[in-house]
Amino acid sequence: AQSVTQLDSQVPVFEEAPVELRCNYSSSVSVYLFWYVQYPNQGLQLLLKYLSGSTLVKSINGFEAEFNKSQTSFHLRKPSVHISDTAEYFCAVATGGFKTIFGAGTRLFVKA
Amino acid sequence: DAGVIQSPRHEVTEMGQEVTLRCKPISGHNSLFWYRQTMMRGLELLIYFNNNVPIDDSGMPEDRFSAKMPNASFSTLKIQPSEPRDSAVYFCASSLGGPQETQYFGPGTRLLVL
Repeated sequence: AQSVTQLDSQVPVFEEAPVELRCNYSSSVSVYLFWYVQYPNQGLQLLLKYLSGSTLVKSINGFEAEFNKSQTSFHLRKPSVHISDTAEYFCAVATGGFKTIFGAGTRLFVKA
Repeated sequence: DAGVIQSPRHEVTEMGQEVTLRCKPISGHNSLFWYRQTMMRGLELLIYFNNNVPIDDSGMPEDRFSAKMPNASFSTLKIQPSEPRDSAVYFCASSLGGPQETQYFGPGTRLLVL
């Protein structure tokens, strides 16, 4: 069975500092990997996803994540965060069928 | 596109009352998901449909919960009778189907059962 572990429930960071949100998954088959972001009082929205090909995927707002098959990880990084990046971030994994498994979420707090 | 539409956005009801949450998926999407989000339990998948057919309802907490999708453009999640522990934000999401597809979430319905 698939599972997703987000290793940090909360990550406080100062503005313009780098950040890494960690995600590990378990699956015995090939996976599709996603990061979703949830801003306060909103639904989740896709940030980026890995389907195949290059293991480094990037979003339009400066986030990137790298698929590491040997470590079964898909950590999310940004070299310099903004106040507006304050949100909850969810890692998710899918294999076959229609079901996507979401992690517990990591709350990113960006402080001025 | 208007995105996924949910109604109502907020619902306050008393214990024992019936609650109906509604969802209109994005046109052309053939998969629909109902989630519940709470501080204690995080994001939980309740049920999902493909081509209007329920595929997996193993996440539905108990018989008080039921969901229907009578056509491709409408789904309901009903709680009868409601209990205070049902208080949560309920999200509907839709996708084109298939594990590689992005899920598009609605704004959610914030339910408070007194």
